Amino acid sequence: DGGITQSPKYLFRKEGQNVTLSCEQNLNHDAMYWYRQDPGQGLRLIYYSQIVNDFQKGDIAEGYSVSREKKESFPLTVTSAQKNPTAFYLCASSITYEAFFGQGTRLTVV
Amino acid sequence: AQSVTQPDIHITVSEGASLELRCNYSYGATPYLFWYVQSPGQGLQLLLKYFSGDTLVQGIKGFEAEFKRSQSSFNLRKPSVHWSDAAEYFCAVGKAAGNKLTFGGGTRVLVKP
Repeated sequence: DGGITQSPKYLFRKEGQNVTLSCEQNLNHDAMYWYRQDPGQGLRLIYYSQIVNDFQKGDIAEGYSVSREKKESFPLTVTSAQKNPTAFYLCASSITYEAFFGQGTRLTVV
Repeated sequence: AQSVTQPDIHITVSEGASLELRCNYSYGATPYLFWYVQSPGQGLQLLLKYFSGDTLVQGIKGFEAEFKRSQSSFNLRKPSVHWSDAAEYFCAVGKAAGNKLTFGGGTRVLVKP
């Protein structure tokens, strides 16, 4: 089945650690996105990529980094510079303007 | 800059009653409009979309939405809700450049028996 796979589902990070969230899609979509979701704030765009080896900052990119070495993969690294990383992270891919979402990764700082 | 407002943070509705969720957008050109639904701890599922043409759009799960350009609105409706409709609903607008979506803050729907 085609879709978007995010892993892990739950992730715990210690203060000062970098962690990487995985996002893989087999929909053959060119565009991929990372969103952060906090209660009552909807989804906010972190980074997006429209083509391999190219990506742009979204609205809240500080403290995050991404890479797009393959069409199928768009991993997100939450660095120690992100002061409040506890949130639900959603990856999406799109063709034209219709976005398809993964099941999310819940990141908690311990 | 484009923006999306969902004025209602929470809505409680009785099972079998009708439901309407409001969405207002700000965008300088013809928008691409979407409604998504999210169950707790899950990703988002597309309910329906509007690109052009007929302003009344039918979606999955018995939902429909009406695009009203004069009011900059794209309200979601369902004639009779089921307990399984309890979820959070997000309105989103897309623009021509970059395929990016801007989301509203969401409306959480609770369904009373």
